[in-house]
Amino acid sequence: DSGVTQTPKHLITATGQRVTLRCSPRSGDLSVYWYQQSLDQGLQFLIQYYNGEERAKGNILERFSAQQFPDLHSELNLSSLELGDSALYFCASSMTEGHGYTFGSGTRLTVV
Amino acid sequence: AQSVSQHNHHVILSEAASLELGCNYSYGGTVNLFWYVQYPGQHLQLLLKYFSGDPLVKGIKGFEAEFIKSKFSFNLRKPSVQWSDTAEYFCAVNFYNQGGKLIFGQGTELSVKP
Repeated sequence: DSGVTQTPKHLITATGQRVTLRCSPRSGDLSVYWYQQSLDQGLQFLIQYYNGEERAKGNILERFSAQQFPDLHSELNLSSLELGDSALYFCASSMTEGHGYTFGSGTRLTVV
Repeated sequence: AQSVSQHNHHVILSEAASLELGCNYSYGGTVNLFWYVQYPGQHLQLLLKYFSGDPLVKGIKGFEAEFIKSKFSFNLRKPSVQWSDTAEYFCAVNFYNQGGKLIFGQGTELSVKP
């Protein structure tokens, strides 16, 4: 157990639907990062939050959004889902920036 | 654009063979460097990291990596691999002024034959 908790572990949904992925960071970590891992694109950085504020944005589609709440947990919202959104979505957290982070176990999203 | 490339997509070795996985990054400024490992069905785990100082860093499970600034490289090595090292290995770079963002290489799948 890395200390970063992601739920759910698996999610199967239909095209056009909306889902929410949840992440609880390791105790004491203020930053949360979201990554998408797919076979063709590898690990792609989506977005970073630091203490509730958006800190950095990567290749995140407009159909996707995220937020970090006062208790520091984060949610990634994926809407108007397409088959190509099927992937593993990882959350990671860190106390300081630039020094690497701890990953959660991921949520495997399958869009059918 | 800043990028990270790993030379090998899939490496197959026999137990006790030596391992070297290549990693190069595109940017010549200040960087922090990482190697992560992902065992089948598991999350990414940190193997080792380099911030500054001795360019030869040692990590967990007998892995080490050498930072060669002039070559923009951070290659991962292990003198003698075991079957349990079968996993995917990712090089990652934090570029200066990018906050906490890590850019990952495409990954190298290592298969170790018993």
